[in-house]
Amino acid sequence: NAGVTQTPKFRILKIGQSMTLQCTQDMNHNYMYWYRQDPGMGLKLIYYSVGAGITDKGEVPNGYNVSRSTTEDFPLRLELAAPSQTSVYFCASTEFDTQYFGPGTRLTVL
Amino acid sequence: GESVGLHLPTLSVQEGDNSIINCAYSNSASDYFIWYKQESGKGPQFIIDIRSNMDKRQGQRVTVLLNKTVKHLSLQIAATQPGDSAVYFCAGGASGAGSYQLTFGKGTKLSVIP
Repeated sequence: NAGVTQTPKFRILKIGQSMTLQCTQDMNHNYMYWYRQDPGMGLKLIYYSVGAGITDKGEVPNGYNVSRSTTEDFPLRLELAAPSQTSVYFCASTEFDTQYFGPGTRLTVL
Repeated sequence: GESVGLHLPTLSVQEGDNSIINCAYSNSASDYFIWYKQESGKGPQFIIDIRSNMDKRQGQRVTVLLNKTVKHLSLQIAATQPGDSAVYFCAGGASGAGSYQLTFGKGTKLSVIP
């Protein structure tokens, strides 16, 4: 099993551009999550999903959108990139309680 | 709401010594806790977890202690090695919430001195 995979690993965006961060898991987990991690800080929940077709906001959802059309995939969309969205983004999945994380996407908005 | 925080942001230990990383939580509904290790440039990696019906759990070179009375948990690493250098996060969750959300602390950076 590859676990949780994320693409791209790095990305630089200009203000106002849009992009989609991809997340895929091959563990058949129902629960998936998107976090952002700012330097020296813990993880903040952006959005989560409890199954295909069901998503909900986390602590910091503004400026982001998600969809969950399949169990495996949980993409995160940035529509109008802002410098405040410069961060490292992690996707995670779980079946019960322990969340398993992908390697992250480092995003810089200039 | 839940808040999970760490007492010390940095910890330096000599190779071979034991390390203790502390964490406090505020939500009484939290019934499971997880310790993660994050190496530079990587995602958090599961180390060990503990449920609220336990006060101690041991893994390979690691032990987690849970004190529900004072809402505190700690991670003990025995015979700390250079490969243990990383940021350690505690996270807490409430299984009754139905979404298995976790709240993370800011992390403690552990540096092992050879």
